[in-house]
Amino acid sequence: DGGITQSPKYLFRKEGQNVTLSCEQNLNHDAMYWYRQDPGQGLRLIYYSQIVNDFQKGDIAEGYSVSREKKESFPLTVTSAQKNPTAFYLCASSLKRGGTQYFGPGTRLTVL
Amino acid sequence: KNEVEQSPQNLTAQEGEFITINCSYSVGISALHWLQQHPGGGIVSLFMLSSGKKKHGRLIATINIQEKHSSLHITASHPRDSAVYICAVVMYSGGGADGLTFGKGTHLIIQP
Repeated sequence: DGGITQSPKYLFRKEGQNVTLSCEQNLNHDAMYWYRQDPGQGLRLIYYSQIVNDFQKGDIAEGYSVSREKKESFPLTVTSAQKNPTAFYLCASSLKRGGTQYFGPGTRLTVL
Repeated sequence: KNEVEQSPQNLTAQEGEFITINCSYSVGISALHWLQQHPGGGIVSLFMLSSGKKKHGRLIATINIQEKHSSLHITASHPRDSAVYICAVVMYSGGGADGLTFGKGTHLIIQP
C-alpha cells in the first residue's frame, strides 16, 4: 500500500536533547513538508523540500533541521535550541509543488 | 502575509442538519484545500480547489476567487462527521514557502 509513515507515534525527550522524527513516503512524491500543530493554533510550516538534496525554511524553522538525501525520506531533527518543542508534528508529501498533500499520522513529542 | 480565517470556530448540530463552514483569506492564492482532522490527529485531504465547486458524497466545497472566500458544506450530517475541519491555502509561487497556510480549524460535533 502506498502511503506516508511517521515514527514514532509518541516521543518523550529530556530538555537539552536533540531528537529526530522520521517521515517516509512510497508515493514517489517530489515534495515533502513538516508542520507543527499546537493547541488552539493552525498548523505551521517548519521546513519543506521540493526535490532531493534541496530544502527550504518555512515560517518557524528556528531550532529545527532537516535533510533530504533520498526521495522517500525527510527526517526532522528537533534541536535543543528549540525553545518550546512539545507539540504534534505532521509530515506531508505532494506529487508536485502546490499539489494535494497527503499527511502522515503524526508524532506527538513531549519534552520532560 | 496571508491570513486564513475560519468561522465558526466551534459548531454543534443535530444529526441530519445541513452544515456550512466558511473560510476567508487575505491575498491571492493558487489553490485552497479543505482538510479533515480526527481526534487521533490524522489528517485527510477532502478537496483541493482553484475555482468553482467540487462535490464528493455528502460534502460540497465552493470557492469564490474574487471574494477570497470558500465554503465547505455537509448535507445530511452524521455523528461520524464530527471532526476538525481545516481550510488551508497555497499562495502564488515566487515568494514565501510552498507549504500550506492554515486556518485554525472548525471543531464540528454532530449529535445523534
